[in-house]
Amino acid sequence: GNSVTQMEGPVTLSEEAFLTINCTYTATGYPSLFWYVQYPGEGLQLLLKATKADDKGSNKGFEATYRKETTSFHLEKGSVQVSDSAVYFCALSGTGGSYIPTFGRGTSLIVHP
Amino acid sequence: DTGVSQNPRHKITKRGQNVTFRCDPISEHNRLYWYRQTLGQGPEFLTYFQNEAQLEKSRLLSDRFSAERPKGSFSTLEIQRTEQGDSAMYLCASSLRDMREKLFFGSGTQLSVL
Repeated sequence: GNSVTQMEGPVTLSEEAFLTINCTYTATGYPSLFWYVQYPGEGLQLLLKATKADDKGSNKGFEATYRKETTSFHLEKGSVQVSDSAVYFCALSGTGGSYIPTFGRGTSLIVHP
Repeated sequence: DTGVSQNPRHKITKRGQNVTFRCDPISEHNRLYWYRQTLGQGPEFLTYFQNEAQLEKSRLLSDRFSAERPKGSFSTLEIQRTEQGDSAMYLCASSLRDMREKLFFGSGTQLSVL
């Protein structure tokens, strides 16, 4: 079945540091890949997505590239802010006729001033 | 766009009791999903509706769980004879049929079974 593996958190960074959160997946077929973000006290919201190999999704300074050869979709940001502190979830969908997203366990990011 | 609303935010119950949660999706969204999330884990799919039809159920959805969406608008999730293992955050999400991969989530209902 489909699965998503994310790096363990929390990831703790100082403001303006470079961020990478690793995500790898297992799926049959050609899934779409997503990053969702959950800010404290709020629901998950879609951050970015990529629907085919080599696509790059980007939003709010975050980027992730769909790498089919390594089955990865790592999230990156060049300079994090305190306001980026949240839990980030990698997800996939679109295989086997189902568009129901399968989520990873989430990675907590804490950014200090 | 008033967002996805879930009630109650928190529910504490004793083992063996029945509980019911409500989800009000974004008004024009015809797809509605229920997920469960436990501490340190990501959301796990339970079931989803397209309008009033329940189209898919996860193996996680035991016989004690039932979900309805009677008029294709709000939805309820009922757990009968609750067990301590049911303690979790229950998340509702909705989406447009034509943008089915973009889910909008509510803040969830935190269930604690004592």
